[in-house]
Amino acid sequence: TQLLEQSPQFLSIQEGENLTVYCNSSSVFSSLQWYRQEPGEGPVLLVTVVTGGEVKKLKRLTFQFGDARKDSSLHITAAQPGDTGLYLCAGARYSTLTFGKGTMLLVSP
Amino acid sequence: EPEVTQTPSHQVTQMGQEVILRCVPISNHLYFYWYRQILGQKVEFLVSFYNNEISEKSEIFDDQFSVERPDGSNFTLKIRSTKLEDSAMYFCASSEALAGKLNTGELFFGEGSRLTVL
Repeated sequence: TQLLEQSPQFLSIQEGENLTVYCNSSSVFSSLQWYRQEPGEGPVLLVTVVTGGEVKKLKRLTFQFGDARKDSSLHITAAQPGDTGLYLCAGARYSTLTFGKGTMLLVSP
Repeated sequence: EPEVTQTPSHQVTQMGQEVILRCVPISNHLYFYWYRQILGQKVEFLVSFYNNEISEKSEIFDDQFSVERPDGSNFTLKIRSTKLEDSAMYFCASSEALAGKLNTGELFFGEGSRLTVL
């Protein structure tokens, strides 16, 4: 069973703070994707990381894939209320995506 | 912008009834998927579909479930004899290539069909 553990499960911060969420697994994935999910909607892809050690930046979001392609992190700089949502990581193997349970982020003004 | 559409958005059914959830994937996509998310739990893979046949399926996808692409546009999930524990949000997704492949393996998810089994 491929498990993706995300931490923390819930994070409540003030606007302007920085934060990091983690996604860890004992399995190796061909790639790892980060999604954001709003209540009542489907997940929306933020980024795909493929190469071990890869770092990708998307405005205030920085994604890193571990060297062994088993773990990843998402760092948000100067969080804003609009960043509030459920952040999901998903590891890809063949045609399957395995999702973590997600980190629920709440950014208060 | 092209999107995956799902119907119905919400269905309430009695235990033991059959349910069909419908999806229209993005037109040039070749891979189709069903995922489900029980309230408060993680998104779980059910099945992937390519070239008119199932590519992979999870242990959740037992004989109670079936998928079909009856025409060139629709992709359906049928749940026979629904159980209380089938209550969940069911997401359809599609992609140009295998999930996870850079640039073309991005999964586009629909907004989901909420199934409530009473």
